[in-house]
Amino acid sequence: DTGVSQDPRHKITKRGQNVTFRCDPISEHNRLYWYRQTLGQGPEFLTYFQNEAQLEKSRLLSDRFSAERPKGSFSTLEIQRTEQGDSAMYLCASSLAHEQFFGPGTRLTVL
Amino acid sequence: RKEVEQDPGPFNVPEGATVAFNCTYSNSASQSFFWYRQDCRKEPKLLMSVYSSGNEDGRFTAQLNRASQYISLLIRDSKLSDSATYLCVVNTPGGSNYKLTFGKGTLLTVNP
Repeated sequence: DTGVSQDPRHKITKRGQNVTFRCDPISEHNRLYWYRQTLGQGPEFLTYFQNEAQLEKSRLLSDRFSAERPKGSFSTLEIQRTEQGDSAMYLCASSLAHEQFFGPGTRLTVL
Repeated sequence: RKEVEQDPGPFNVPEGATVAFNCTYSNSASQSFFWYRQDCRKEPKLLMSVYSSGNEDGRFTAQLNRASQYISLLIRDSKLSDSATYLCVVNTPGGSNYKLTFGKGTLLTVNP
C-alpha cells in the first residue's frame, strides 16, 4: 500500500497522559498536514510541513501539542497532559500540489 | 460567519434521484475549491475540484459562483454507493496557501 499510513489507528488513554502519533506520507510528497476531526464536524487544520519545516500552526494547536517532521519524511504529533476535549480523530494528509491525500486517521479517546 | 457553510442535511433520497448540495464561503480571496467525500469512519477522499467554468465528472457536476461565493454539487441518478458525507472544501489564502478549510459536511443516504 503506497498511501498515507498512520499509527496507531486507535488510542485510549487516561487524562493527563502523553500520547504520540505517527504519520508516514506518500513517499514523494513534500507537504504534510495534520487535521483534527470531531463527530459531526469537518476536519480542522492543525499544522503544515513543507519538507522538514513547519510553516504554519493553527491557534487550535495549544502548547500541549507539538509536531515534528525531522527528516522531511514521517511526522509525529505529540499531545502532552491529554484532556478529555482532545478526544477526536487525528488525520494526516500529504500532497505534492493542491490535492491532499488523507491517511486513515488515529482515533484518540481520553478517559 | 463560518468560513465554509454547507446545507445541514441529512439528505435521504431514493435510488435514481437527483440531489444538490450547496455551500458558501466567507473569504472572497479564496483560490481553490473542492468537494471531498467521506464514508462512515473513513478518511476524506477528493471527489472533484471545482473550476470557475463549472465541471462535470460522470454523474457529478460542480459549479462555482465567485460573485456569490457559492459552490454546488449535483449528483444525478444517485446510487446506493453514493451514500456518504460530502464535504465542501476551500483553500484558505494567506500563510501556507495550502491549508484546506472544510465545511461540516452533508450526510447523504441513498435508499433502495
